[in-house]
Amino acid sequence: GQNIDQPTEMTATEGAIVQINCTYQTSGFNGLFWYQQHAGEAPTFLSYNVLDGLEEKGRFSSFLSRSKGYSYLLLKELQMKDSASYLCAAPDSNYQLIWGAGTKLIIKP
Amino acid sequence: DGGITQSPKYLFRKEGQNVTLSCEQNLNHDAMYWYRQDPGQGLRLIYYSQIVNDFQKGDIAEGYSVSREKKESFPLTVTSAQKNPTAFYLCASSKLGQGAYNEQFFGPGTRLTVL
Repeated sequence: GQNIDQPTEMTATEGAIVQINCTYQTSGFNGLFWYQQHAGEAPTFLSYNVLDGLEEKGRFSSFLSRSKGYSYLLLKELQMKDSASYLCAAPDSNYQLIWGAGTKLIIKP
Repeated sequence: DGGITQSPKYLFRKEGQNVTLSCEQNLNHDAMYWYRQDPGQGLRLIYYSQIVNDFQKGDIAEGYSVSREKKESFPLTVTSAQKNPTAFYLCASSKLGQGAYNEQFFGPGTRLTVL
């Protein structure tokens, strides 16, 4: 079957670093997406990984290990505005996205 | 500015009524999608369309219908056959070609509540 797992909720402190993990099982592999979604708003694209390794974009980085079916999103220098849900998604064999339930990140001062 | 619009933002419906949610995009994207989001669950695909006058069912199409008469527009009708329609509905679009390889752009969503 196809499945994506990520933690339900995480808490971190402003200015710190947090790592949000995602494990996936899909038929074939066509890359992995991370989206950010603030409460009551639309998801917005953060990253897309198709090759193993770490990709950095400013304070946000995304890592992929295809052999382990594992990805993480790393957020550095956390700011209060980073409080949001982070969604992991991967395409299935029909090229439609399978979505994780999202990780709610709570930032404390 | 290009983007996706959804209307209305909040919608209340009485049981037994059909209701149509609007989705318009001016990004010139060929593919459009409707998702449903419930608390504690991932986005679930209702319908998608890759070309005008053609669309396919997603994982939870029962009780919903769509049309794609124009490239820019992909309205979703929630019918009375949908047993649990209260949810947050998101419309998205993307370039065609490699399907899910392409970033999906989302509208602001419509929160539907059945009274």
